[in-house]
Amino acid sequence: QKEVEQDPGPLSVPEGAIVSLNCTYSNSAFQYFMWYRQYSRKGPELLMYTYSSGNKEDGRFTAQVDKSSKYISLFIRDSQPSDSATYLCAMSEGTGGGNKLTFGTGTQLKVEL
Amino acid sequence: NAGVMQNPRHLVRRRGQEARLRCSPMKGHSHVYWYRQLPEEGLKFMVYLQKENIIDESGMPKERFSAEFPKEGPSILRIQQVVRGDSAAYFCASSRTSGNTDTQYFGPGTRLTVL
Repeated sequence: QKEVEQDPGPLSVPEGAIVSLNCTYSNSAFQYFMWYRQYSRKGPELLMYTYSSGNKEDGRFTAQVDKSSKYISLFIRDSQPSDSATYLCAMSEGTGGGNKLTFGTGTQLKVEL
Repeated sequence: NAGVMQNPRHLVRRRGQEARLRCSPMKGHSHVYWYRQLPEEGLKFMVYLQKENIIDESGMPKERFSAEFPKEGPSILRIQQVVRGDSAAYFCASSRTSGNTDTQYFGPGTRLTVL
């Protein structure tokens, strides 16, 4: 069993739709949760960062963490064609001595006009 | 302010050759992480280095792979006697500190193809 599970998609939605991306994990030691966006042939870029359970909003993006269910989500409102990319969830234990990230496999999103 | 730089962007090697991948962290960053992305898989942590020190190499294959981050110059990921299974995208990331909340900034990656 992988430490982090993520539906690979592809997920295709019309412009303006609300997108929900999800990851589940098995390691209860994970404390820090991130969402990265990766365009084709590029490196990942950090979108959202959350610590422990709760919600965090930034513009059209909302990150949600439920540690009791070991489940995290990223919501994208009013999706745009420029949001078309692969979205990677990432997590770390945060035990010090560096910040090794464990990634999901990524969900490929396509927002169509 | 230049981001994380990696070179080469694309590297082709024949089986048995050596591959050397370079990573220059962002200015002011002294912490470097290497990750590997195999087709249809997520990024996998390989190694974490600070200047002149390997801090965590728990993700590195036991043989043929090595990494360094010298006092001067870029971090180097070296793969000896490459095999077809080494074909992947290799990303490095840098951060200013080792803190849990410190963002890791990723480079564009080096895509290694082994013929």
